[in-house]
Amino acid sequence: GAVVSQHPSRVICKSGTSVKIECRSLDFQATTMFWYRQFPKKSLMLMATSNEGSKATYEQGVEKDKFLINHASLTLSTLTVTSAHPEDSSFYICSARAGESDTEAFFGQGTRLTVV
Amino acid sequence: GEDVEQSLFLSVREGDSSVINCTYTDSSSTYLYWYKQEPGAGLQLLTYIFSNMDMKQDQRLTVLLNKKDKHLSLRIADTQTGDSAIYFCAESMGTNAGKSTFGDGTTLTVKP
Repeated sequence: GAVVSQHPSRVICKSGTSVKIECRSLDFQATTMFWYRQFPKKSLMLMATSNEGSKATYEQGVEKDKFLINHASLTLSTLTVTSAHPEDSSFYICSARAGESDTEAFFGQGTRLTVV
Repeated sequence: GEDVEQSLFLSVREGDSSVINCTYTDSSSTYLYWYKQEPGAGLQLLTYIFSNMDMKQDQRLTVLLNKKDKHLSLRIADTQTGDSAIYFCAESMGTNAGKSTFGDGTTLTVKP
């Protein structure tokens, strides 16, 4: 299957700073990427849908000013957690879909964010 | 809204079959997925089934779908210790793969 790579896999940042997480589709062009957050021993919660060249669509309850998403190219989407707080510590996972009618989405390996 | 439910834990002995169950509420779900997540890793798509199918088999994996009861199951034959992981059931509408609703995951433990 297609490969989606996230970077970094782990990051520790100080409270109040911002951190950027990258999601890259390595061998296909991803028109749409999705950002999920996973709490410990919990399921994945969809945060936002990122479409190349347009603004991201955020799910209800997700602060768009706090979680900035940019999808500037067909192979890269970034999630920036701004002014991070300890409660933002979580596992963030992206997925990418190649085309509008593609039935499969491919997930990155996830990024473990710890805010201290 | 959509809801997907799974039992949280399953323990089996190596060599036995594992059956992980999932129920969903959205009757308009078009695709149903099974993902595997190993500790500290992302999700690996194992298989998916289109809602007009009853069964799909792929090597050791068999997916059964009862659309009337909105029940999905994943059977792993000859379960190995390497199959120990969390298994997520997910559903999506139309061809909107990637924007899915996930269950809470079933932790499968395979004992030698």
